[in-house]
Amino acid sequence: GQQVMQIPQYQHVQEGEDFTTYCNSSTTLSNIQWYKQRPGGHPVFLIQLVKSGEVKKQKRLTFQFGEAKKNSSLHITATQTTDVGTYFCAGDGGNKLVFGAGTILRVKS
Amino acid sequence: NAGVTQTPKFQVLKTGQSMTLQCAQDMNHEYMSWYRQDPGMGLRLIHYSVGAGITDQGEVPNGYNVSRSTTEDFPLRLLSAAPSQTSVYFCASSFLAGDNEQFFGPGTRLTVL
Repeated sequence: GQQVMQIPQYQHVQEGEDFTTYCNSSTTLSNIQWYKQRPGGHPVFLIQLVKSGEVKKQKRLTFQFGEAKKNSSLHITATQTTDVGTYFCAGDGGNKLVFGAGTILRVKS
Repeated sequence: NAGVTQTPKFQVLKTGQSMTLQCAQDMNHEYMSWYRQDPGMGLRLIHYSVGAGITDQGEVPNGYNVSRSTTEDFPLRLLSAAPSQTSVYFCASSFLAGDNEQFFGPGTRLTVL
């Protein structure tokens, strides 16, 4: 079945450093979504990318969708303590979403 | 709107017991789903429903049953709990299809002894 791989599994950064998580699908996707889960919380939708090569920004967060629509990345510029949590990508698998394992981000202040 | 609600928040079961996790949404969403979250494994789809009266299996359906008699409710039943079902369970809903933005409930933390 379809698989969505996400790396790294875990990253610990100093406040102010940048952070990137990468997502790769075994199949071509029609769209990809990103979610954030704060510690002890539930996943919250961040964004959906649909077009090949698409780049979207939300303040310090930059999301990219690869040209082949099989990979994506989330980049956070100048991390803050409020960025801590787990970031998930999710690719469409027919009529359902297939989630990556997530990247846990910890920020040292 | 309350969004997606789940009850209970915490539950401890003994092996072999059965129980139902409740999920309800008040957004008139057609699509609802259940995920389990285990450390290092992300969110794995258990069952999903594209509308009232229609359900289908996800990635890890064994040991779980669902039904969708109304648009609002999508309960998850554990038939005979096993320690391997210790996990955090999330219910989610979306307007139409499974590849739309998912709205998640607060989760149920289940421990099976």
